[in-house]
Amino acid sequence: ELKVEQNPLFLSMQEGKNYTIYCNYSTTSDRLYWYRQDPGKSLESLFVLLSNGAVKQEGRLMASLDTKARLSTLHITAAVHDLSATYFCAVDPRNYGGSQGNLIFGKGTKLSVKP
Amino acid sequence: NAGVTQTPKFQVLKTGQSMTLQCAQDMNHNSMYWYRQDPGMGLRLIYYSASEGTTDKGEVPNGYNVSRLNKREFSLRLESAAPSQTSVYFCASSEDRWTGAFFGQGTRLTVV
Repeated sequence: ELKVEQNPLFLSMQEGKNYTIYCNYSTTSDRLYWYRQDPGKSLESLFVLLSNGAVKQEGRLMASLDTKARLSTLHITAAVHDLSATYFCAVDPRNYGGSQGNLIFGKGTKLSVKP
Repeated sequence: NAGVTQTPKFQVLKTGQSMTLQCAQDMNHNSMYWYRQDPGMGLRLIYYSASEGTTDKGEVPNGYNVSRLNKREFSLRLESAAPSQTSVYFCASSEDRWTGAFFGQGTRLTVV
């Protein structure tokens, strides 16, 4: 059974600080996705990571994937209040080709950025 | 660009009632999914359809049925609603690994 674990589950940080959210998964996969969800809203795709060593950056967020360690990180640089949301990682358990499969989600990290 | 459209957005049911959640996508995607989201649980897959005419169970299929009506539409039916099915339900669609899944706005369902 594939398990996806995120930590921390709750993160309160001050504006201007840096922090990293971790996503560990229990089986081999080369497909990992990060989503953002604002309260009461849908999920918005942030990053798609499809190979070992993949790194993607968008503004103050940077995501990376280490398939050998089965670990992805979401790094926040100089946090601002607008980044407050819940962040989910999701792993596709089908590897190395084949049709798009379903996603297994972590429980989410609720980020609160305070002035 | 509508993307993935779910109806209704909110619903209250009595225990034992039935209802169907509707989902339609206009992106010509082959794959469609139904997830439920509960506090502290992340999203859990109920059913998915890899292509028109096929459906498969996900992690939590009990109490639900699905129909892939055509390439655009994928419905989720609760035959006899139970309070444990109180949740937010998300429909999603995807085409390939390069873009991942696109999500609808969700249906907030309460079973009393």
